[in-house]
Amino acid sequence: AQSVAQPEDQVNVAEGNPLTVKCTYSVSGNPYLFWYVQYPNRGLQFLLKYITGDNLVKGSYGFEAEFNKSQTSFHLKKPSALVSDSALYFCAVRLLTGGGNKLTFGTGTQLKVEL
Amino acid sequence: DGGITQSPKYLFRKEGQNVTLSCEQNLNHDAMYWYRQDPGQGLRLIYYSQIVNDFQKGDIAEGYSVSREKKESFPLTVTSAQKNPTAFYLCASNSGTGSSYEQYFGPGTRLTVT
Repeated sequence: AQSVAQPEDQVNVAEGNPLTVKCTYSVSGNPYLFWYVQYPNRGLQFLLKYITGDNLVKGSYGFEAEFNKSQTSFHLKKPSALVSDSALYFCAVRLLTGGGNKLTFGTGTQLKVEL
Repeated sequence: DGGITQSPKYLFRKEGQNVTLSCEQNLNHDAMYWYRQDPGQGLRLIYYSQIVNDFQKGDIAEGYSVSREKKESFPLTVTSAQKNPTAFYLCASNSGTGSSYEQYFGPGTRLTVT
């Protein structure tokens, strides 16, 4: 069965510093990988996705993620964090074939950016 | 939150009552999904529909029911058989074809059952 793991429940970073939110996945085929962000009492907003091609994917609001097949990871990064980046971040995976359109989500990582 | 609306934003019900959550999309998407979100557990799939008049159970379908009579609508009924219905419910959709496999989410409905 496919799964994703977000090993950190919370990440704290100072504004202006780089941030990383970790995600590892487990699938038997080639994955589609996604990052979403959720602000309090709101729906999820799509940030970026990896389907194929370049391992470094750029997305919304200055975020990027690096796909690493050997480490089965898809960590979310941003060179300089903003207080407004504070939110709950979810990694998700979809099988490239045979999985329909279902996504499996991680448990989420709360990002707190402090002044 | 794109072109997906969920109503109401907050819903309160007494235990033993069925309640229906609304989800409407104007994105012309074929596929629609219902998730439940609980603190520390991420999102769990309740039901999904890839085409009108067809739907499948997700990972936690017990105590829930859905219908898909129109492409734009996918209502979720939380029945009295659902043991722990208090949660944040999210509806999502995607095109179901091509390379746009990301799902687009509505703003959610917070259901409280007492």
